[in-house]
Amino acid sequence: GVTQSPTHLIKTRGQQVTLRCSSQSGHNTVSWYQQALGQGPQFIFQYYREEENGRGNFPPRFSGLQFPNDSSELNVNALELDDSALYLCASSLGSTGGSLNYGYTFGSGTRLTVV
Amino acid sequence: QKEVEQNSGPLSVPEGAIASLNCTYSDRVSQSFFWYRQYSGKSPELIMSIYSNGDKEDGRFTAQLNKASQYVSLLIRDSQPSDSATYLCALEGTGGFKTIFGAGTRLFVKA
Repeated sequence: GVTQSPTHLIKTRGQQVTLRCSSQSGHNTVSWYQQALGQGPQFIFQYYREEENGRGNFPPRFSGLQFPNDSSELNVNALELDDSALYLCASSLGSTGGSLNYGYTFGSGTRLTVV
Repeated sequence: QKEVEQNSGPLSVPEGAIASLNCTYSDRVSQSFFWYRQYSGKSPELIMSIYSNGDKEDGRFTAQLNKASQYVSLLIRDSQPSDSATYLCALEGTGGFKTIFGAGTRLFVKA
């Protein structure tokens, strides 16, 4: 499956945070989502073969990396109170286009609280 | 207009009844549609995918897609208390594999 770490995190406003994800075996695409309480997941960005493949409406202080072993990181700089949310990593088997989208396998998420 | 719209609910049905969840979307070029189930405090879990107009059945679940009317629905037959969760409608957005989610419909199945 997809594993995320840490499961919970408390940070102070202005700090930086790194969240980690290990994709499901065989999956080559990883997407990151932010889910606020009572809302649907909001797309942050997606990585395919170590390159950013799309980005949602999030500021540049949200950045990411995908490594050759298909693990991934989400970095958030200058944390704000509104960044408090559940951060979800989702892996899938896909490409930049032409292939059928079979849907995501989500990790259990990282609950980030900014105080 | 939101890209994916769902009634937030809660939708309450008695055990054994059919639960009907609906979703409308605005992007006419979307080709892949999904239903995810999310239990409270957990991450979403894919339960159905549908790609062409019509019905697709999987056990107690039936997904229905009508691209001309831009809606997708999920029927849950013989609803069980364990089906109580938030159901997220999702679709593949323009430009690739970015999946866009609705805000979800909360379903309560009363025993």
